[in-house]
Amino acid sequence: QKEVEQNSGPLSVPEGAIASLNCTYSDRGSQSFFWYRQYSGKSPELIMSIYSNGDKEDGRFTAQLNKASQYVSLLIRDSQPSDSATYLCAVSLEYGNKLVFGAGTILRVKS
Amino acid sequence: ETGVTQTPRHLVMGMTNKKSLKCEQHLGHNAMYWYKQSAKKPLELMFVYSLEERVENNSVPSRFSPECPNSSHLFLHLHTLQPEDSALYLCASSHEKWGVLNTGELFFGEGSRLTVL
Repeated sequence: QKEVEQNSGPLSVPEGAIASLNCTYSDRGSQSFFWYRQYSGKSPELIMSIYSNGDKEDGRFTAQLNKASQYVSLLIRDSQPSDSATYLCAVSLEYGNKLVFGAGTILRVKS
Repeated sequence: ETGVTQTPRHLVMGMTNKKSLKCEQHLGHNAMYWYKQSAKKPLELMFVYSLEERVENNSVPSRFSPECPNSSHLFLHLHTLQPEDSALYLCASSHEKWGVLNTGELFFGEGSRLTVL
């Protein structure tokens, strides 16, 4: 069973702090890794993708991938109340089709 | 607005009813998906249509029946559902066809919230 594990939270951080979201996956054949954000009552939207070990930065967001340890993380710098949402980690296998999602981590940024 | 529209947004049905969920994508995408989202559970892939052909049926009970009449429309026909089928049903589309989803980018609709009494 291919699984993606996330701490359900909620993760509470003060405004301006760094929020760190983590995800582990079970299938070593996984090649592509994604973070989706889902606001309450809304649909998920892709915010970051990462394919190779290391860090990838996009604005206030940094995705980190460590294939040897089978984890991927998302850092949000200068967290804002508008970042409050559920963050879904998704992983796809080498053949690049099926995305396996985690259950998501609820993030709450308090002003 | 993601370009993927789902109707109805909310549906309440009895266990003996027959209803359908509708999804329309205005993006010219090549693949369409049905996902089930239950509270505190991962998104579950149900069905995939790529270039109008069903390419994935993820061990979904036969009381759920998908239909893809053309590349822009996707239906999920529901009959004799169980209370445990109550969930948010999300439709998604991708530009890439099945087998080459390298960008991992799915465009989701707002979902249809289904309650089975």
